[in-house]
Amino acid sequence: VLTQFPVTLSLSPGERATLSCRASQTVGSYLAWYQQRPGQAPRLIIFDVSKRVTGVPARFSGSGTATDFTLTINNLQPEDFAIYYCQVRTSWPPAVTFGPGTRVDFK
Amino acid sequence: QVQVQESGPGLVQPSETLSVTCSVSGDSMATSYYWTWIRQAPGKGLEWIGSVFRVGIVYYNAALESRVTISADPSASVISLKVNSVTAADTAVYFCARDTAYGDINAFAIWGQGAKVVVSS
Repeated sequence: VLTQFPVTLSLSPGERATLSCRASQTVGSYLAWYQQRPGQAPRLIIFDVSKRVTGVPARFSGSGTATDFTLTINNLQPEDFAIYYCQVRTSWPPAVTFGPGTRVDFK
Repeated sequence: QVQVQESGPGLVQPSETLSVTCSVSGDSMATSYYWTWIRQAPGKGLEWIGSVFRVGIVYYNAALESRVTISADPSASVISLKVNSVTAADTAVYFCARDTAYGDINAFAIWGQGAKVVVSS
């Protein structure tokens, strides 16, 4: 089970967003983050805890270990206001779980 | 450039079978990746349905496994999803996605735009 907090984060452009994802048991390195804007498919931004997908701005960073993981977005841009989901894969049998999401919206 | 396109019926009657297909183009190495179905009910989060690798390797969400079949036709570059005995709770946008890693389920790097399916009489 994945828990994400806060449920909603109200910020202004230029501020820093810190999103948390907590797993009910230790997770290996299969931890990813997605951004979803209204009406669009999710977009992978971070995988393997901290690897940024090619083309994703450097203001996005991922960190964490064991059960606690963080997505940080520095210097929020207008296009960053969206819903963010974390996702893990269990080792065996392979199964995938998504967190419930954190909405980043304008203060 | 890899392109992924889902297609579905739009409307399905309760208790019937929902069928959605995913057509892949522009990826000569498509058979080296897992392909995954994910759905999103209206206003809700993402739910993993299952993942397929080539023809014979498939993993399902345990909560859906009894009603779901995922298959791949590498020669046609098509991945298929069937959900039996559907109810209103199966109303969702169904996404097809390709993994980041060769031969492993990790994270989903390439997504289609999704196929909206409504279950209603």
